[in-house]
Amino acid sequence: AQTVTQSQPEMSVQEAETVTLSCTYDTSESDYYLFWYKQPPSRQMILVIRQEAYKQQNATENRFSVNFQKAAKSFSLKISDSQLGDAAMYFCAYGASRQLTFGSGTQLTVLP
Amino acid sequence: DTAVSQTPKYLVTQMGNDKSIKCEQNLGHDTMYWYKQDSKKFLKIMFSYNNKELIINETVPNRFSPKSPDKAHLNLHINSLELGDSAVYFCASSQEDYGYTFGSGTRLTVV
Repeated sequence: AQTVTQSQPEMSVQEAETVTLSCTYDTSESDYYLFWYKQPPSRQMILVIRQEAYKQQNATENRFSVNFQKAAKSFSLKISDSQLGDAAMYFCAYGASRQLTFGSGTQLTVLP
Repeated sequence: DTAVSQTPKYLVTQMGNDKSIKCEQNLGHDTMYWYKQDSKKFLKIMFSYNNKELIINETVPNRFSPKSPDKAHLNLHINSLELGDSAVYFCASSQEDYGYTFGSGTRLTVV
């Protein structure tokens, strides 16, 4: 079974600084997707960024970028120029065969 | 236009009652899911349906029964509610594995 591990239960960052959230996963598949979801206190699950495993180029979405290391099975999220609105729980997730498996989440606090 | 809508958003009920949560998606996705988020925020899949056919049925009590009348709807019926069923339940949909879209969640509180 696929597993997703987020080793940082909590992180904090100063406003305007950069923070990196870690994620590792375990799979024997070669074709899959990786995601980062944000869950603010409103509890809505918001897709932040998506990476297709067959693409070597790291995905970017404005201030959000990933470092995808397929051989190491690592998928970290970098948030640049952190804003107060980035404060939320962040979940790393693995998707394959129509099943999405989540990590345990990282609670990000942004300090003014 | 809400892509994945689930109702109700909040549900407070007594132990032993039966309740349903409804979900509808207007994205044309072929697969729909129910996820449970526990008090520690851990998200775990419960069920998935592909074109009205059950394809994933994780280890959940058989008091939980999903129903998919068509590929745009997936409802969750829970019989004989227990205190431990209190959680947030998310409906989601996807087209293959490309993108998963979630509803806003239903917070179920059993008292």
